[in-house]
Amino acid sequence: KQEVTQIPAALSVPEGENLVLNCSFTDSAIYNLQWFRQDPGKGLTSLLLIQSSQREQTSGRLNASLDKSSGRSTLYIAASQPGDSATYLCALQTGANNLFFGTGTRLTVIP
Amino acid sequence: ETGVTQSPTHLIKTRGQQVTLRCSSQSGHNTVSWYQQALGQGPQFIFQYYREEENGRGNFPPRFSGLQFPNYSSELNVNALELDDSALYLCASSSRIPGSENTIYFGEGSWLTVV
Repeated sequence: KQEVTQIPAALSVPEGENLVLNCSFTDSAIYNLQWFRQDPGKGLTSLLLIQSSQREQTSGRLNASLDKSSGRSTLYIAASQPGDSATYLCALQTGANNLFFGTGTRLTVIP
Repeated sequence: ETGVTQSPTHLIKTRGQQVTLRCSSQSGHNTVSWYQQALGQGPQFIFQYYREEENGRGNFPPRFSGLQFPNYSSELNVNALELDDSALYLCASSSRIPGSENTIYFGEGSWLTVV
């Protein structure tokens, strides 16, 4: 059974700092990995999708990496801003668009 | 804006009652999945519908059931509500057309409180 762990559970950083969020998983037989953002009380917004054959994806200040052999992914956020404050969830897609989620990292960027 | 709309946004039900949640998927998407997200947890997969048929189910009891309609919209029904069913229910739509992206789009969710 796929298990997804995200560390840390919560993180506070001063504005402008670069930061890394971690995601680990137990079963490397995945189709892809997605990072989502969730604002309080809201739905999920897809940030980056990495196909199983890829090693990383970039979008603006965000960079996500995938290492299937070690069962790890990281989300790197450069030059953090208060607007980046949210919960970040990683999710693995296995089979027919079914996602396994971690419990998320709650990020607070302090102005 | 993802194009996935859910209703109602919030509702309160009494233990033992039944509830129906609704989802309109993004245009062109033929697959709808439902997730339950308890407070402080990640979403948990309930089930998925593809072309009006259930196509995969997570670890949820039979009192969680669903439907998908010809226009690909969907309903989630929960019978005999329990206090632990209190959660945010998320609908996600995607396309299974070969060659298309696997990006999954989520709605804003329906907050269910069972008292």
